Amino acid sequence: DIQMTQSPSSLSASVGDRVTITCRASQGISNYLAWYQQKPGKAPKLLIYVASTLRSGVPSRFSGSGSKTDFTLTINSLQPEDVATYYCQKYNGAPFTFGPGTKVDIK
Amino acid sequence: EVQLVESGGDLVQPGRSLRLSCAASGFTFDDYGMHWVRQAPGKGLEWVSGLSWNSGRIDYADSVKGRFTISRDNAKNALYLQMNSLRPEDTALYYCAKEGHPWSSNSWIDYWGQGILVTVSS
Repeated sequence: DIQMTQSPSSLSASVGDRVTITCRASQGISNYLAWYQQKPGKAPKLLIYVASTLRSGVPSRFSGSGSKTDFTLTINSLQPEDVATYYCQKYNGAPFTFGPGTKVDIK
Repeated sequence: EVQLVESGGDLVQPGRSLRLSCAASGFTFDDYGMHWVRQAPGKGLEWVSGLSWNSGRIDYADSVKGRFTISRDNAKNALYLQMNSLRPEDTALYYCAKEGHPWSSNSWIDYWGQGILVTVSS
């Protein structure tokens, strides 16, 4: 099975900072990669799919890039409401594995 | 508005069974694949099982294969998860989730329910 890793596992940044989260697949998954945001006590929400397509209604400070094995989620100008854990997920076939998550908070 | 409402969670003893249900509304249910995803307390997301819009594709995580059965009733707009031989490590919040692309075998998830708690303990 393809394994998904994320780095860092957590980060602390200031409001207005640019934040980058990396997701790596152990084998190529083309662009079958989604990013989700989960705030404490809430269900996850879709941010990005097909590696770089921003879901309608998601702020444009979020962006995704990458293909095959290496992917990036970038938050330009971090806002207080972005405090959350971010997960990547592969969906090119079962198992639809999630990464372990990256917890983002405000410094 | 898409709504996914899970039910059936409970406290059960190890080895017992439980059936989760998910009532879907706000979209054409039989056009979309569906999934169950769980989250153990304080842990990350774990994909459990998924099935395609027509139940032609059914998949399970290795951790539940042979014990859990996913199914859907398109006439009732409902998704189910039959969980047998439950173990303490199955304790988690179980989310019902909808795929984002219709009639697909490989799609992202675009909507999640609020989750239902399953606790397995003696």
